[in-house]
Amino acid sequence: QQKVQQSPESLTVSEGAMASLNCTFSDGTSNNFRWYRQHSAKGLEVLVSIFSDGEKEEGRFTAHLNRANLHVSLHIREPQPSDSAVYLCAVSPDSNYQLIWGSGTKLIIKP
Amino acid sequence: DAGVTQTPRHEVAEKGQTIILKCEPVSGHNDLFWYRQTKIQGLELLSYFRSKSLMEDGGAFKDRFKAEMLNSSFSTLKIQPTEPKDSAVYLCASSLGGSAETLYFGSGTRLTVL
Repeated sequence: QQKVQQSPESLTVSEGAMASLNCTFSDGTSNNFRWYRQHSAKGLEVLVSIFSDGEKEEGRFTAHLNRANLHVSLHIREPQPSDSAVYLCAVSPDSNYQLIWGSGTKLIIKP
Repeated sequence: DAGVTQTPRHEVAEKGQTIILKCEPVSGHNDLFWYRQTKIQGLELLSYFRSKSLMEDGGAFKDRFKAEMLNSSFSTLKIQPTEPKDSAVYLCASSLGGSAETLYFGSGTRLTVL
C-alpha cells in the first residue's frame, strides 16, 4: 500500500528566500500528486496538482515530480508571512478515489 | 462561488452524547468526503459518497460514525455515542468526481468531547 512521508516536519524561512518542501512515496505507479496548504483553523486549499514527471508551476508555487526517485517536491518562490501554514502532500493511486496523505510540514515565514 | 460549508465551526459535547455535523458541498460536485484530522493520525477518511451513494463507510469508524447524504447538496455526520477520543477536527470535502479531480475542503468542525 502506498505510503507517503514528508520532510522536514518543520521549516523556518526568511521572507523572500525560497522555501523547499519534500514528499516521498513508496509506489511509483501512482500518477496523481497534489500539494495542499492549511492555515491554522481553516480547511485545506489545493496549490498544485501534477500528473507526470517534471515540473508544474502555479504562480509562486512549483511542484517537481520524479517518480523513479519516488519524490515530489514543492518550491515556494518569494514566500511571505501569509504563506505560513501546514503544507500537505497527497498521492492518489491510479483510478482510486482514496488519497494517501503525508503528515505535513509546518512552514514559518519570518518577516 | 460558494465553497464547501460546514456547521457548526465548534462543538463541545459530553461523553455519551449524540452530535450531528453538517456539510454543504460545492454546487454541482458529485463526490463528497468526510475526514477526521488529528495531530497524531493526520487525515483519516471516514466516508465517501459518489452521486449520493455511500462508497466507503470508514472501516474502523463504522460502529459509532454514520454519514448520510440526504440530497446532492447536504450531508451529515452523526457520532453516537461520543467519546473523548473523538475530539478532533472533522473536515468535509467535495469534488466533481474521479481520482483526477481536486478536492475542495470546508473550514472544518472542531469537536471537543469532555
